[in-house]
Amino acid sequence: NAGVTQTPKFRVLKTGQSMTLLCAQDMNHEYMYWYRQDPGMGLRLIHYSVGEGTTAKGEVPDGYNVSRLKKQNFLLGLESAAPSQTSVYFCASIRASYAGEQYFGPGTRLTVT
Amino acid sequence: QQQVKQSPQSLIVQKGGISIINCAYENTAFDYFPWYQQFPGKGPALLIAIRPDVSEKKEGRFTISFNKSAKQFSLHIMDSQPGDSATYFCAATPIQGAQKLVFGQGTRLTINP
Repeated sequence: NAGVTQTPKFRVLKTGQSMTLLCAQDMNHEYMYWYRQDPGMGLRLIHYSVGEGTTAKGEVPDGYNVSRLKKQNFLLGLESAAPSQTSVYFCASIRASYAGEQYFGPGTRLTVT
Repeated sequence: QQQVKQSPQSLIVQKGGISIINCAYENTAFDYFPWYQQFPGKGPALLIAIRPDVSEKKEGRFTISFNKSAKQFSLHIMDSQPGDSATYFCAATPIQGAQKLVFGQGTRLTINP
């Protein structure tokens, strides 16, 4: 099992450019999450999904969109990148209805200049 | 809004000493309190977790102490080792809420040899 994988690992964007971050999990988990990690802020939830075809807003959703067309994949999109979106992005997943371990991917470091 | 407050932001402990990280929460509708450990360049990984019906949980050198009335919980690392150097996040899961995690701000722990 690869667990949770994220693509790409690093990316540099110019202000106004768009990009999509891909998260894939092979554990047949129902719930998937996108977080951003910034120094002194912990991890903050951007969007999440409780199943294929569903998405919902988290704590800091502005400037991001998501899609969950397949159960194993969760995509995070930035339509018009801004320097404030410079961060490390983590994807995570969990079995439904189980307050147990969230499995995290290795992260994507995004810099917007 | 930040509902879990973590301190200190950084901590330096000598090898063999006890590392203590504290968290306080505001929302009483949490029912699961995990601690995550994150090494540089990696995603967070579950270290240990506790439910509010117990006051302490121990796994090896790691212990969570939980004070429900004070809405506080802490992580103790006994006999701290250089390999414990990492960033630690406390978190809380709402009773209702798609198993979303609310994270503290994180503590960067350094164990000096």
